[in-house]
Amino acid sequence: DAGITQSPRHKVTETGTPVTLRCHQTENHRYMYWYRQDPGHGLRLIHYSYGVKDTDKGEVSDGYSVSRSKTEDFLLTLESATSSQTSVYFCAIRTGLAGETGGNEQFFGPGTRLTVL
Amino acid sequence: AQSVTQPDIHITVSEGASLELRCNYSYGATPYLFWYVQSPGQGLQLLLKYFSGDTLVQGIKGFEAEFKRSQSSFNLRKPSVHWSDAAEYFCAVGARAGKSTFGDGTTLTVKP
Repeated sequence: DAGITQSPRHKVTETGTPVTLRCHQTENHRYMYWYRQDPGHGLRLIHYSYGVKDTDKGEVSDGYSVSRSKTEDFLLTLESATSSQTSVYFCAIRTGLAGETGGNEQFFGPGTRLTVL
Repeated sequence: AQSVTQPDIHITVSEGASLELRCNYSYGATPYLFWYVQSPGQGLQLLLKYFSGDTLVQGIKGFEAEFKRSQSSFNLRKPSVHWSDAAEYFCAVGARAGKSTFGDGTTLTVKP
């Protein structure tokens, strides 16, 4: 158990409203990730962070922003939610040091199911 | 760019039968390879990983996987499947920067 929690676990919102999802970790890992999971698409990386205030885009970053002001928290924001952003969102952390052999495995949170009506 | 293909969307096996889930990857250097399992409503759990060394890797829950560089494959196997193995399985390839690419997953159904 890597001590990862996500909140909320479920959310229903309307098109055009802002939404923020929170990922919290208790073990001070440097790397954190946000993925979305959709049927037939596996997991796709939205954004990731390699330290406080250090973030970068993944393959499906359009319409999403992230912030990391503290090591333990990684926030994902949908500025104006659309129905295409209905999905299950997973946060993950990466153990080990950057570049270290064996340091690339990821541990996942329980997920947030977001429905945009 | 790295990529992962899991050719089988859905596999059904009888309890006690052997299992092989296929994974093919594309990566320019020596890959970091992973298999994860996801039970319904849960997050992903790491089954096993390959970074270097012995090409046959043992994981949790009796799973193993074999890395074959010549075939760009990392297939997951289990000699005798249990009903509790029913889940979705994801193969992933990772880069040193920490960004992993996941396959689309294979759903395993276990018949009694």
